[in-house]
Amino acid sequence: GQSLEQPSEVTAVEGAIVQINCTYQTSGFYGLSWYQQHDGGAPTFLSYNALDGLEETGRFSSFLSRSDSYGYLLLQELQMKDSASYFCAVTGGGNKLTFGTGTQLKVEL
Amino acid sequence: KAGVTQTPRYLIKTRGQQVTLSCSPISGHRSVSWYQQTPGQGLQFLFEYFSETQRNKGNFPGRFSGRQFSNSRSEMNVSTLELGDSALYLCASSIGATDTQYFGPGTRLTVL
Repeated sequence: GQSLEQPSEVTAVEGAIVQINCTYQTSGFYGLSWYQQHDGGAPTFLSYNALDGLEETGRFSSFLSRSDSYGYLLLQELQMKDSASYFCAVTGGGNKLTFGTGTQLKVEL
Repeated sequence: KAGVTQTPRYLIKTRGQQVTLSCSPISGHRSVSWYQQTPGQGLQFLFEYFSETQRNKGNFPGRFSGRQFSNSRSEMNVSTLELGDSALYLCASSIGATDTQYFGPGTRLTVL
């Protein structure tokens, strides 16, 4: 089976940097994705790591260590609009995404 | 390029009824996956279709079924609805296997 663990809630102030961690146990692994979901909205793709290392996309960066079964999403220069749920997801066999339970990020003034 | 579209956006049904949800993927995407999202269980994979064939299936009862047409559009059907089927049903499309999946806005199903 597959399981992913991430913190349930993170709070940070506007302009700060926040890191959301994700550890996973999987029977098949092609890559780790990150999605953002605002209340009432659909998950929006943020980043994907298939290989070890850091991927940077604007204010968002994602890191993967396959040997440690660990990844993180780094959000810089936090803005109020970044308040949302963030999910890590493993791409396993076929095109199946297994999602973590999600991290609720609250950005405060 | 237009994104993933899902119809209807909202649906109210009663127990025992059946429902069909529709998903149109991004143009050129051949893989369509379906997910159920509930507060208690989170985002769970239902099934995935590629070139009209179901390639992968999650742990849901046989009441949940789907199909894909030659134009890559997909439908999912839930028969004999139960209260616990109330959820946001999300469709995601990707170009092929293990590619990035892009989600539609979802269909919010309420079963009374």
